[in-house]
Amino acid sequence: QKEVEQDPGPLSVPEGAIVSLNCTYSNSAFQYFMWYRQYSRKGPELLMYTYSSGNKEDGRFTAQVDKSSKYISLFIRDSQPSDSATYLCAMTSSGDKLTFGTGTRLAVRP
Amino acid sequence: NAGVTQTPKFRILKIGQSMTLQCAQDMNHNYMYWYRQDPGMGLKLIYYSVGAGITDKGEVPNGYNVSRSTTEDFPLRLELAAPSQTSVYFCASQPTSGAETQYFGPGTRLLVL
Repeated sequence: QKEVEQDPGPLSVPEGAIVSLNCTYSNSAFQYFMWYRQYSRKGPELLMYTYSSGNKEDGRFTAQVDKSSKYISLFIRDSQPSDSATYLCAMTSSGDKLTFGTGTRLAVRP
Repeated sequence: NAGVTQTPKFRILKIGQSMTLQCAQDMNHNYMYWYRQDPGMGLKLIYYSVGAGITDKGEVPNGYNVSRSTTEDFPLRLELAAPSQTSVYFCASQPTSGAETQYFGPGTRLLVL
């Protein structure tokens, strides 16, 4: 079993849709949770960061962490074509070495 | 402030050749990392460093070596290139452990034939 599981997609939605991206994990020591966005042929860039359980909102993006279920989510409201990218979940117990999911490819159709 | 820079952008190697992937950051970050990204596999940690003179293995270190003689630079060395090392390599830096983000470079695409 992989430490972090993420559906690779691809996920295709119409512009304006609400997008839900998810990861599950097996290591209960993880306490820092991140979502990175990666455009084609670019390096990942941080989108959301959450420490421990709870919700965090930033504009159209909401990150949720449920440590009891070992489940994290990223919601994108009013999705735009510019949101088309690969979304990677990442997590760490120590605050440094990250364990990544495989990434979910998202396409937002105009 | 250039952030994290990587050279070269793309390279083709023959089996058995060696090369060094360069990584530099100008943010005075202590922590630096090397990852490889294979299609559909996410990013895997190869080596990391918590400061000049200190390096340690990550999840997939076989076939690679690193050094960290300065805070700014963290080169990755491939001694005997193999087709299994065909991948995209990303360098990243982080101010300290627990800091919110790692800053990634643009990547180096390596093809071993």
